[in-house]
Amino acid sequence: GAGVSQSPSNKVTEKGKDVELRCDPISGHTALYWYRQSLGQGLEFLIYFQGNSAPDKSGLPSDRFSAERTGGSVSTLTIQRTQQEDSAVYLCASSLEGRGALYNEQFFGPGTRLTVL
Amino acid sequence: EDKVVQSPLSLVVHEGDTVTLNCSYEVTNFRSLLWYKQEKKAPTFLFMLTSSGIEKKSGRLSSILDKKELFSILNITATQTGDSAVYLCAAGYDNNAGNMLTFGGGTRLMVKP
Repeated sequence: GAGVSQSPSNKVTEKGKDVELRCDPISGHTALYWYRQSLGQGLEFLIYFQGNSAPDKSGLPSDRFSAERTGGSVSTLTIQRTQQEDSAVYLCASSLEGRGALYNEQFFGPGTRLTVL
Repeated sequence: EDKVVQSPLSLVVHEGDTVTLNCSYEVTNFRSLLWYKQEKKAPTFLFMLTSSGIEKKSGRLSSILDKKELFSILNITATQTGDSAVYLCAAGYDNNAGNMLTFGGGTRLMVKP
């Protein structure tokens, strides 16, 4: 596809369950970002992958959150033992270049709306 | 601590009005200032600004950056109901990992007929 895709578009889960959110970046984009957006709030950075470098996990809010990026392409964000405060829209973005690049334009996917009951 | 602050938080105008949205930033190793429009879930890119004083225009939208005073404005002239959205400002910068964006909290614009 031409853009960033994410799945599922909506996820409703019960407190304490684990969830996996998937992101397919634009083909050829080496950088991938995960953000979280709570209702009425701005985007909160979670994690950043760039090529084969170690990811920047500085935005992950707790050790219940983890992410992988396999083969430098698809990424999965996993939230273990979900809590109600995890309810938010999780947005994935990709960009063409990472370290040393002049520009930072990121292209966003449609997001996954997570609701924890 | 890196931060981006947008104002106003929300704005209600009528069609035809002109609006100015503000964005101030404090980031280390600043690279660029980006504006996004968010109507549903995915923000869509509007502008990227890297140089002070050079206005970028796209139709009724324009934006300018002041790197000395660390702010940017987004202007929308002759507003239409389709301009209703949240407008996000983000500061691009480099850290040890690579290129990053820090987002402001957004300005929610509502344009009434």
